[in-house]
Amino acid sequence: SQQGEEDPQALSIQEGENATMNCSYKTSINNLQWYRQNSGRGLVHLILIRSNEREKHSGRLRVTLDTSKKSSSLLITASRAADTASYFCATGPPEYGNKLVFGAGTILRVKS
Amino acid sequence: DSGVTQTPKHLITATGQRVTLRCSPRSGDLSVYWYQQSLDQGLQFLIQYYNGEERAKGNILERFSAQQFPDLHSELNLSSLELGDSALYFCASSPGEGVTYEQYFGPGTRLTVT
Repeated sequence: SQQGEEDPQALSIQEGENATMNCSYKTSINNLQWYRQNSGRGLVHLILIRSNEREKHSGRLRVTLDTSKKSSSLLITASRAADTASYFCATGPPEYGNKLVFGAGTILRVKS
Repeated sequence: DSGVTQTPKHLITATGQRVTLRCSPRSGDLSVYWYQQSLDQGLQFLIQYYNGEERAKGNILERFSAQQFPDLHSELNLSSLELGDSALYFCASSPGEGVTYEQYFGPGTRLTVT
């Protein structure tokens, strides 16, 4: 089963709106990463947040991490049509060694 | 462009055949990871190499094998192919080993088994 699970599975918004995606995981983690994948393309790393961090920003992206709830959220502000993609969270539980475990992803569609 | 290259981009082959997928990591990256992405299974970790040595194994079938060469490029060999092996295969690289590093993904190889 997946370590990380994103919610919602799909999200459709208008350009300019904010998009929020959530990720829940099951075991303790060292860090959590978010990746973006445009249709049929390779994944692109967006942001890494360590287990001792609560919030991190990168441009229009804001990631939060709540280790007590085993959850993270990715907020994309002022979305653009180019943000249309699938977004994945990935975790590396200590017991998994070097393995990064990806969730099933959230499909985001930004309508112009 | 991530700096990771994968060849070929597309591969169409028949059941029972054997194929080799090739990956060149970013310059300076020592770790190479292989993933399989299919509609029903999502993105699955297969195997990881660091500086030529196997470091972690995921849900890799016995029919699949990989290696990392001294120049750090890696190959994933898939044999006795089945229809269910049709998927996107990604290679990723990172500077070190372990999950504290971000991974840089290649464009993938789309394998179709007919």
